[in-house]
Amino acid sequence: GAGVSQSPRYKVAKRGQDVALRCDPISGHVSLFWYQQALGQGPEFLTYFQNEAQLDKSGLPSDRFFAERPEGSVSTLKIQRTQQEDSAVYLCASSRDRGSGETQYFGPGTRLLVL
Amino acid sequence: EDQVTQSPEALRLQEGESSSLNCSYTVSGLRGLFWYRQDPGKGPEFLFTLYSAGEEKEKERLKATLTKKESFLHITAPKPEDSATYLCAVQLNSGGYQKVTFGTGTKLQVIP
Repeated sequence: GAGVSQSPRYKVAKRGQDVALRCDPISGHVSLFWYQQALGQGPEFLTYFQNEAQLDKSGLPSDRFFAERPEGSVSTLKIQRTQQEDSAVYLCASSRDRGSGETQYFGPGTRLLVL
Repeated sequence: EDQVTQSPEALRLQEGESSSLNCSYTVSGLRGLFWYRQDPGKGPEFLFTLYSAGEEKEKERLKATLTKKESFLHITAPKPEDSATYLCAVQLNSGGYQKVTFGTGTKLQVIP
């Protein structure tokens, strides 16, 4: 079956531009996560959705970052007034449920470069 | 503070030369430990989940083990196609959902 998909795969933005990154999770998956991965580092947690509810946004680095999942499926991560330090790979992951031991399945990521 | 540390940062092996990657953790309330493989330009690919000390899982040339403080990913007779970054992640029970913290990974290169 289809895995997690993300678009665009690559995005170049000028400093100060707004960007929107899309995630299509595996159909029927309850949980959705966004991560930020800097070069040579592991993924860092940004935010978590259970269906349409955003239950944890403690990892969002600033109020310029905003995420939504209005119908409990597709999610969008928006970054306003992008800065150079926002350059990274943004990964989306989904899992079937929210319980212990549920495996998170990752998309290919969106590579964001802010000039 | 919960921590996940992977070692070595990078490992270069000759084809067929077996070795182990380490993931040590200092967390409370561990619900699971995950191993992922990540190829350049791709998202992490799930390999294993381990839940309790003493547990072992195998897949082809890979074997993952878990103790109370660390996990090992053993690679037996590796091939060049095993070259990738291997990520370890620990799952905690946080607010009723499975929050995951990743290590920085071990970059493995297998030379033909």
